[in-house]
Amino acid sequence: NAGVTQTPKFRVLKTGQSMTLLCAQDMNHEYMYWYRQDPGMGLRLIHYSVGEGTTAKGEVPDGYNVSRLKKQNFLLGLESAAPSQTSVYFCASSSVVGLRNEQFFGPGTRLTVL
Amino acid sequence: GEDVEQSLFLSVREGDSSVINCTYTDSSSTYLYWYKQEPGAGLQLLTYIFSNMDMKQDQRLTVLLNKKDKHLSLRIADTQTGDSAIYFCAEALYQKVTFGTGTKLQVIP
Repeated sequence: NAGVTQTPKFRVLKTGQSMTLLCAQDMNHEYMYWYRQDPGMGLRLIHYSVGEGTTAKGEVPDGYNVSRLKKQNFLLGLESAAPSQTSVYFCASSSVVGLRNEQFFGPGTRLTVL
Repeated sequence: GEDVEQSLFLSVREGDSSVINCTYTDSSSTYLYWYKQEPGAGLQLLTYIFSNMDMKQDQRLTVLLNKKDKHLSLRIADTQTGDSAIYFCAEALYQKVTFGTGTKLQVIP
């Protein structure tokens, strides 16, 4: 099992450009998440999905859109990148067992917006 | 909203015990977690504790939970250089998980 994979690993964008980050999981998990990690701020939730075809906003959704057309994939889009979106982006998936929600993380995408 | 707070940095000598602290605000949290992030990698679950427990031990790791004070701690016994990483606590209520700011543990040989 590959677990959670993310593509690309690194990307440099110019302000105003668009891009899509792809997350894939092979664990048949219902829930998927996108976080951003910035120094001193921990992980902040951007958007999440509780199942195929559903998405919901997290703590910092502005400037991002998501889609979950297939259960195993969760896409994060930046329509018009801004320097404030320079960050490391992590995707995670989980399956809630009882009340326990153990998240499995991908290796991250390091994005720089110039 | 919920805030989960941690000190940013901890430095210990190899062989000593490390104690990483966390405070959270949502008393409804059902589970609390500790994740480890090594350089250039994603987070990996280390251990967790159910909210009706006050202690959990797992080999070198001991988790203490004080629900009254909303305080969580992770003790690592006999800290090794391989334990150098960023440690995140997280609180969860169903599908919603809130992470702390992370504590960078530096282990001095």
